[in-house]
Amino acid sequence: QQPVQSPQAVILREGEDAVINCSSSKALYSVHWYRQKHGEAPVFLMILLKGGEQKGHDKISASFNEKKQQSSLYLTASQLSYSGTYFCGTEGGSTLGRLYFGRGTQLTVWP
Amino acid sequence: DVKVTQSSRYLVKRTGEKVFLECVQDMDHENMFWYRQDPGLGLRLIYFSYDVKMKEKGDIPEGYSVSREKKERFSLILESASTNQTSMYLCASSLAVSGTSLEQYFGPGTRLTVT
Repeated sequence: QQPVQSPQAVILREGEDAVINCSSSKALYSVHWYRQKHGEAPVFLMILLKGGEQKGHDKISASFNEKKQQSSLYLTASQLSYSGTYFCGTEGGSTLGRLYFGRGTQLTVWP
Repeated sequence: DVKVTQSSRYLVKRTGEKVFLECVQDMDHENMFWYRQDPGLGLRLIYFSYDVKMKEKGDIPEGYSVSREKKERFSLILESASTNQTSMYLCASSLAVSGTSLEQYFGPGTRLTVT
């Protein structure tokens, strides 16, 4: 039930935009997004609940298409601080309370 | 601020040793989790617990056991460490609402090397 993330890696210049996708084969209740910087623990970014909502803070936003069992993370006008590995975590099916994490998308922002 | 602490940042053990990894959270969270992180594989759930003395197997429980005697503490035990258990181990905790998990807070991780 591990979700599939794409792309595996993204390289950007400061100010460019990026989209990271997360796709599941199972019906989803929620999708979480986390960012992990090198040598640090993952940090929560946002959670989206079923209902097709879009959330955001600052220049990072996300959407959740429950019907397609997909979520996308949008990073606009990227900053150097956005570099790191992004993970989606999905919750659903018969086991609520736990997440299935994707393999991660490595984002590198260059000046 | 939520704080999740893990007993060691780095640990080196020999094959066959019994290994204890401890995790403590200070925000009265119901749910606690143990993950293993290996390059290119993401975060894989070993075990989780939604209450004291309760535990559920995750995706890779073989070779591991857990203990949760107090709400704030969740221990991961490697009964007989093997070299293929060399990895980064991350603990996390979260509040629970209607059985679902809210945002997870992660500890700093323990890098375990088994020689």
